[in-house]
Amino acid sequence: QQQVKQSPQSLIVQKGGISIINCAYENTAFDYFPWYQQFPGKGPALLIAIRPDVSEKKEGRFTISFNKSAKQFSLHIMDSQPGDSATYFCAAGALSGGYNKLIFGAGTRLAVHP
Amino acid sequence: GAVVSQHPSRVICKSGTSVKIECRSLDFQATTMFWYRQFPKQSLMLMATSNEGSKATYEQGVEKDKFLINHASLTLSTLTVTSAHPEDSSFYICSAREWIASYGYTFGSGTRLTVV
Repeated sequence: QQQVKQSPQSLIVQKGGISIINCAYENTAFDYFPWYQQFPGKGPALLIAIRPDVSEKKEGRFTISFNKSAKQFSLHIMDSQPGDSATYFCAAGALSGGYNKLIFGAGTRLAVHP
Repeated sequence: GAVVSQHPSRVICKSGTSVKIECRSLDFQATTMFWYRQFPKQSLMLMATSNEGSKATYEQGVEKDKFLINHASLTLSTLTVTSAHPEDSSFYICSAREWIASYGYTFGSGTRLTVV
């Protein structure tokens, strides 16, 4: 019920390509789905987040697609750049209600080759 | 935007000693703070949740007597690793939520603890 499953574990993309990372959750109480970017030795930084009332959200080169019925959401990074090389974590939580915590996926190590 | 400051960023301590890590919300009042632990190449694992003025709620498997959490004010939470051992060496990260329910979670920059 509390798990967030993330795939792939690692991803190699050529510069200019599209990076796609997928996540699935089980707890239907979750209503907040953020993606975080983490560089070595740093804390996670919020990239983009979505609530279940929309199916897609775009911010610059980053897009979240959300499928409520399938309980899945994904991150698309368009025109991937070497500077995007980092570890990406999806997470799920509840901004409302009693489930006051954020559960993380296992992470995806992205390498963008020039 | 919301900023969470975590201090120190790195600390080395001797086995058997205690270490305190501070987490401060700089420009908002954090009714809830969270502490995570991250081992190399692994995900963030939630250790505990603390609400200002009350006892922390620990996740299953986390020793509450070893990892002491204090959330005495709306802007400060501390994590004390007591009687630290080399296996406690890890990256510790705090997070904070503002009282407004629609706001998300803000993370600190993390503390690298090395126990020698």
